[in-house]
Amino acid sequence: DAKTTQPTSMDCAEGRAANLPCNHSTISGNEYVYWYRQIHSQGPQYIIHGLKNNETNEMASLIITEDRKSSTLILPHATLRDTAVYYCIVRVGGATNKLIFGTGTLLAVQP
Amino acid sequence: NAGVMQNPRHLVRRRGQEARLRCSPMKGHSHVYWYRQLPEEGLKFMVYLQKENIIDESGMPKERFSAEFPKEGPSILRIQQVVRGDSAAYFCASSLIPPGQGTDTQYFGPGTRLTVL
Repeated sequence: DAKTTQPTSMDCAEGRAANLPCNHSTISGNEYVYWYRQIHSQGPQYIIHGLKNNETNEMASLIITEDRKSSTLILPHATLRDTAVYYCIVRVGGATNKLIFGTGTLLAVQP
Repeated sequence: NAGVMQNPRHLVRRRGQEARLRCSPMKGHSHVYWYRQLPEEGLKFMVYLQKENIIDESGMPKERFSAEFPKEGPSILRIQQVVRGDSAAYFCASSLIPPGQGTDTQYFGPGTRLTVL
């Protein structure tokens, strides 16, 4: 089972920031939080990941709470092409690196 | 640098036939993962392979499914005697470094959509 919980769906106006929350209250100290998105049944696209510090790249920002029990993915200026299912994943450690996908959040960017 | 390549993109098989799905990882990547996405569901891990070795096949169905990643050539996911319930999108991902050694991000291919008639 996925170790994360996310809202089923969210709306966002085009040009505004999209803030996608994720709860991962059982995360272990050495487990990373990864974000992927899937646009209309295409292959999942890597967005960003982090351990404990906030992270930013050309696509998004990741804010992780100090207790690491939750995080927020921020798309600073959402466009229609950002409409997708966004998956927050706590990566399983050990000898494998399998990603356990939950149901994700369907972000609908409205014109 | 080309991304993860998968072929064919669409595959139609009749019940009882064999399906072979191919995955070429990103250049320099020697770790390959296969995932399956049934209609209207999330992705489910199937198997993790390194060159010539299966490391974790905990998500593979016990029968009819097999995977390989030879020293040369793409990784192959093979489904024998397909049934209608095998209809799904099959995604391959690759990573550069082994699990546990830093942030071994997986990059996904476009998937193969298998339809069993």
